[in-house]
Amino acid sequence: AQTVTQSQPEMSVQEAETVTLSCTYDTSESDYYLFWYKQPPSRQMILVIRQEAYKQQNATENRFSVNFQKAAKSFSLKISDSQLGDAAMYFCAYRSGIQGAQKLVFGQGTRLTINP
Amino acid sequence: GAGVSQSPRYKVAKRGQDVALRCDPISGHVSLFWYQQALGQGPEFLTYFQNEAQLDKSGLPSDRFFAERPEGSVSTLKIQRTQQEDSAVYLCASSARRGFGLHFGNGTRLTVT
Repeated sequence: AQTVTQSQPEMSVQEAETVTLSCTYDTSESDYYLFWYKQPPSRQMILVIRQEAYKQQNATENRFSVNFQKAAKSFSLKISDSQLGDAAMYFCAYRSGIQGAQKLVFGQGTRLTINP
Repeated sequence: GAGVSQSPRYKVAKRGQDVALRCDPISGHVSLFWYQQALGQGPEFLTYFQNEAQLDKSGLPSDRFFAERPEGSVSTLKIQRTQQEDSAVYLCASSARRGFGLHFGNGTRLTVT
């Protein structure tokens, strides 16, 4: 079974600075998808960024980018120019690329605090 | 509606009571998922529907948990004889096609006393 590990329960960063959240995963599959989700106090999970394992290029969405190291099974999230609205729980998630496999496997989460 | 709607937002149940949690997915979304999120943890998969067919229920923790989606739209997660360990946030998500573009609801926080 696949597992996702987030080793940083909490992180904090000064507003406008850059922060990196870590995620590692374990799988024997070669085709899969990785995600970062944000969960504010409203509890709604919001997709931040997605990476297909077959793509070597790291995904980028505005201030959010990933460092995907397939051999090391590492998938970190970098948030540039941190804003107060970025404060939330962040979850790394894995989805198998096998046809018919639908479920997401989530990590334990990292609570991100933004200091003004 | 504009998003995935879950009700109730909060539910308090005495141990042993049955509860029913409702999820209204985005109109036209064929895929629907239920996740359980214990306090301080990441969500854990419970079950998955494609239209009215329950294709994966491998995450349901016991036979006290039952989910249905009889007409391929609204889904209900039922928990019978609730236990304290059932206390968690129950998240529903839907997507227009398999697995991608998941939209989550705000969840139902269940507290069993």
